Amino acid sequence: EAGVTQSPTHLIKTRGQQATLRCSPISGHTSVYWYQQALGLGLQFLLWYDEGEERNRGNFPPRFSGRQFPNYSSELNVNALELEDSALYLCASSRGDSDPLEQYFGPGTRLTVT
Amino acid sequence: KNEVEQSPQNLTAQEGEFITINCSYSVGISALHWLQQHPGGGIVSLFMLSSGKKKHGRLIATINIQEKHSSLHITASHPRDSAVYICAPNTDKLIFGTGTRLQVFP
Repeated sequence: EAGVTQSPTHLIKTRGQQATLRCSPISGHTSVYWYQQALGLGLQFLLWYDEGEERNRGNFPPRFSGRQFPNYSSELNVNALELEDSALYLCASSRGDSDPLEQYFGPGTRLTVT
Repeated sequence: KNEVEQSPQNLTAQEGEFITINCSYSVGISALHWLQQHPGGGIVSLFMLSSGKKKHGRLIATINIQEKHSSLHITASHPRDSAVYICAPNTDKLIFGTGTRLQVFP
């Protein structure tokens, strides 16, 4: 069974640009979660999508947005990039919105904003 | 006060030692995850537990919901166990401890 995949592995952008990160969940999983791990900080919850709907959102500005497609893959968009957006962005998937469920993590996308 | 407290923050051990990492949380939870993060960022979910104890190989995780405390134990530690271990209670979303950096020396 293929795991959670994320693309790209690395992304370099300049301040003010937009970044798009992609995540493909494990087959059969309908929930996708996004997390940010900034340098020196712990993991922080960003967004949770299930069945195409945003279910929950962490304490991040509206510049951070996303969507989930009918095939349950997901995109995270970060607009008007700021230097402090440089971080490892992790995606995880799980079977659905029933709680609690085990989340499976992808390898991450490392975003560097210069 | 952080909602999740992990201890110790850093831990060094000799190969073969028994390791314990503790996690205390202040929020009501439905379950708790223990995650392992290797250099480079890759995260592996080790356990998800909502009561009692789970064992996987040399790893054991326990949780006491009443006392809001969980522990991760590694028996017969090995250099390949060197990683950051993160406790993540599940409320309506995962919240994360700051992690415990473990280094096991041969």
